[in-house]
Amino acid sequence: EADIYQTPRYLVIGTGKKITLECSQTMGHDKMYWYQQDPGMELHLIHYSYGVNSTEKGDLSSESTVSRIRTEHFPLTLESARPSHTSQYLCASSPGGDLYQETQYFGPGTRLLVL
Amino acid sequence: QKEVEQNSGPLSVPEGAIASLNCTYSDRGSQSFFWYRQYSGKSPELIMFIYSNGDKEDGRFTAQLNKASQYVSLLIRDSQPSDSATYLCAVKKRALTFGSGTRLQVQP
Repeated sequence: EADIYQTPRYLVIGTGKKITLECSQTMGHDKMYWYQQDPGMELHLIHYSYGVNSTEKGDLSSESTVSRIRTEHFPLTLESARPSHTSQYLCASSPGGDLYQETQYFGPGTRLLVL
Repeated sequence: QKEVEQNSGPLSVPEGAIASLNCTYSDRGSQSFFWYRQYSGKSPELIMFIYSNGDKEDGRFTAQLNKASQYVSLLIRDSQPSDSATYLCAVKKRALTFGSGTRLQVQP
C-alpha cells in the first residue's frame, strides 16, 4: 500500500493567483513525478525528480515549477494561474533502482479550476 | 505517431468473458511495460508490469509482451462488472509514457 498524499484535493481560484499544489510521500522513494490529466485524456508528464535537489521538465510544456528540498516533498507551483491550467494534477513516486522498482504509485490528485 | 497507442474503446464484453486490451509502442529501446487501471475520477493503480517477451500471469490478469512486434497486451479472464474502468498502458523511458487508455465495459 502506497502512502502518497496530495493537497488540496480540489481548488477553485481566480486568474492571476499564485498557487502551490502539495505532494508528500512517506515511503522514502527517490523518484517523484507530476502529471497533468484532462478528463478522459492521457496523462502527460510535466515534471520529475530523481532525488533531492534534482528536477527535470517532462514532455508537456508547462508554466509550472517544482522543487525537491526534501525526499518526501515535491510541491508544484503556478506563479500566475490561467484558465488553461484547469485540469487534474497527479503526483506519483517510485523507489527507483532496477526495473522492478520503477512501479509508480499515484496520489489521489488535485482538481484545479481556474476562473 | 504517438509513442504509446491504445484503442480508446469502449470495449464491451459480457460478464465472465475474456477481455483483451492491446497497446503498441514506437521506441524499440523501451525496457519495461506497465498496465494501470483507472476508475472514473480516481488515480491510476498498478495492475502488473512485464519486461520479458512472453506471458506473465497474476490471478485473472495476463500480460503479454512481443518486443519484435512492439506490442503489449492485457488479458482479463472471467471479467467482472467491477473491472469496468479505463486501462492505461505505460512504457518506461525517463519516466513512464502513458497511452490514452482503453475504456472497458463489462456487461452484467
